[in-house]
Amino acid sequence: ETGVTQSPTHLIKTRGQQVTLRCSSQSGHNTVSWYQQALGQGPQFIFQYYREEENGRGNFPPRFSGLQFPNYSSELNVNALELDDSALYLCASSLLQNNEQFFGPGTRLTVL
Amino acid sequence: AQRVTQPEKLLSVFKGAPVELKCNYSYSGSPELFWYVQYSRQRLQLLLRHISRESIKGFTADLNKGETSFHLKKPFAQEEDSAMYYCALDSGGSNYKLTFGKGTLLTVNP
Repeated sequence: ETGVTQSPTHLIKTRGQQVTLRCSSQSGHNTVSWYQQALGQGPQFIFQYYREEENGRGNFPPRFSGLQFPNYSSELNVNALELDDSALYLCASSLLQNNEQFFGPGTRLTVL
Repeated sequence: AQRVTQPEKLLSVFKGAPVELKCNYSYSGSPELFWYVQYSRQRLQLLLRHISRESIKGFTADLNKGETSFHLKKPFAQEEDSAMYYCALDSGGSNYKLTFGKGTLLTVNP
């Protein structure tokens, strides 16, 4: 059984740029959720994808968008990066009917 | 809106001592509560959930709806329990969104 993987591990961007983060879900899982974890905070829900459609969204602006592919992998896109977007971005996969979420190692994004 | 509060940012105990990590929540419905743990250099992982009523690694947590609490307890702490612990709430519905607390860093000293 393959666990959740994320890429890249870390990256540095400048304010105003765009970034794409990637996530491969655990084998057999059909749902992917994305979380933002700022330093010293708990993870904060961004959105969830199920069957390639957004299935719930947290309190994040539209410049945070996502995709889910037929193989259940997912992307998180952030446009017009701001300094406050600097955080660890976590991806979690699950089965929709079971809310036990399995987390990836995260992508550390630094916005300068 | 739901909220999870972990009042202690840091908690330090000696090996063999009892440990209790506090978690309070606010939510008007019937939530499902979880404890997630992150050991050093490892990913976030589920420790236990209230509906399973299991004891994992000696830890237990009881959901107290009257006090809206879900405290995590272990009678005898071990050094390997040192980690970051997050309490989380799932409000239910069709999207299983977790609301996390800010976490408590537990250090178990020898």
